[in-house]
Amino acid sequence: NAGVTQTPKFQVLKTGQSMTLQCAQDMNHNSMYWYRQDPGMGLRLIYYSASEGTTDKGEVPNGYNVSRLNKREFSLRLESAAPSQTSVYFCASRQGALNEQYFGPGTRLTVT
Amino acid sequence: AQRVTQPEKLLSVFKGAPVELKCNYSYSGSPELFWYVQYSRQRLQLLLRHISRESIKGFTADLNKGETSFHLKKPFAQEEDSAMYYCALSDYNYGQNFVFGPGTRLSVLP
Repeated sequence: NAGVTQTPKFQVLKTGQSMTLQCAQDMNHNSMYWYRQDPGMGLRLIYYSASEGTTDKGEVPNGYNVSRLNKREFSLRLESAAPSQTSVYFCASRQGALNEQYFGPGTRLTVT
Repeated sequence: AQRVTQPEKLLSVFKGAPVELKCNYSYSGSPELFWYVQYSRQRLQLLLRHISRESIKGFTADLNKGETSFHLKKPFAQEEDSAMYYCALSDYNYGQNFVFGPGTRLSVLP
């Protein structure tokens, strides 16, 4: 099993450009998450999807959109990138409400 | 609201010394507590969770509901323990929400 995979690993965007970060899991998990990780801020939840067909905002959703394409895939879209969105983005998944989360390797995004 | 605090941003200890990474939470229910570790430029991985009561890589953590704490301890630190450590909380009553603390960077000096 590959676990949780993310693409791309690195990306540089110019202000105003758009892009989609892809995430997939092969563990048949119901829930999937998108976090951003910034120095001194820890991990902050952007959006999550409790199950296929549902999405909910997390702590820092502004400037992002998500799509739960199917049970395996959960994408994060930046419609108009801003320098404040420079960060490392992690996708995670888990089976149930009290279970651990499994993380992807992360996407390092720089917006200039 | 749920909240997880880790008062130390950076903790430096010498190899062989005991280490304690502090975690406090504010929540009135019965949460599930976790410790995650992130080695340099790697993904986060679960270190341990309180419900399993196991020791991983020599680390243990005890949930103290009275003090609302879940401190991570190891009696003898090793250089390979140097990493970022995150305490996290989850609770069924909050659906799928999962709250992380800000993290503590542990540096084990030779």
